[in-house]
Amino acid sequence: DIVLTQAPLSVSVTPGESASISCRSSKSLLSSKGITSLYWYLQKPGKSPQLLIYRMSNLASGVPDRFSGSGSETDFTLKISKVETEDVGVYYCAQFLEYPFTFGSGTKLEIK
Amino acid sequence: EVQLVETGGGLVQPGRSLKLSCVASGFTFNNYWMSWTRQAPGKGLEWVASITNSGGSTYYPDSVKGRFTISRDNAQNTLYLQMNSLRSEDTATYYCTRAGGVMDAWGQGASVTVSS
Repeated sequence: DIVLTQAPLSVSVTPGESASISCRSSKSLLSSKGITSLYWYLQKPGKSPQLLIYRMSNLASGVPDRFSGSGSETDFTLKISKVETEDVGVYYCAQFLEYPFTFGSGTKLEIK
Repeated sequence: EVQLVETGGGLVQPGRSLKLSCVASGFTFNNYWMSWTRQAPGKGLEWVASITNSGGSTYYPDSVKGRFTISRDNAQNTLYLQMNSLRSEDTATYYCTRAGGVMDAWGQGASVTVSS
């Protein structure tokens, strides 16, 4: 199974500052079609997860451009610039390259 | 607007069965693969099952293979998850997700508690 390791476990950010979350994969997520199958989700308190980033660096519909994704075949970063209070929650990376689909263990973002 | 509404959750004894349903609206259901993903209390996300748009193929992780069955009724825009031989570790909120290559829409979740 592909293991996704997220860091840090939690991060506390002052509004207006930036935050970065890392996700490392145990295997390359680059498919034979040239697609990097790494996704980012945010689960706000008491809510269902929502898609933020698809295919490593593409912003999902309706997601503010304060969010951005980048990376290589195995190392990925979600960056949130100018953090707002509405960004609190748990961030998960996920891979849909191969079965079983797997998720990272999550990074909790809090506001200072 | 895409909507996914799960029903059928509840309290069930270990070893018993339960069937979840998910009614979809706001998109052409039979064009999309669908999935179930769960979240144990206070824990992370775990993929549970996926089904092709026609229903012809299904996929499961080892943790539920042979116990859970995903199915769909495209005429009724409904996704199902039949869960048999339930264990305490199956206690979780179960989310129905639209999954056309990416889980891009999630339901509100159905809570399943397995306990005697």
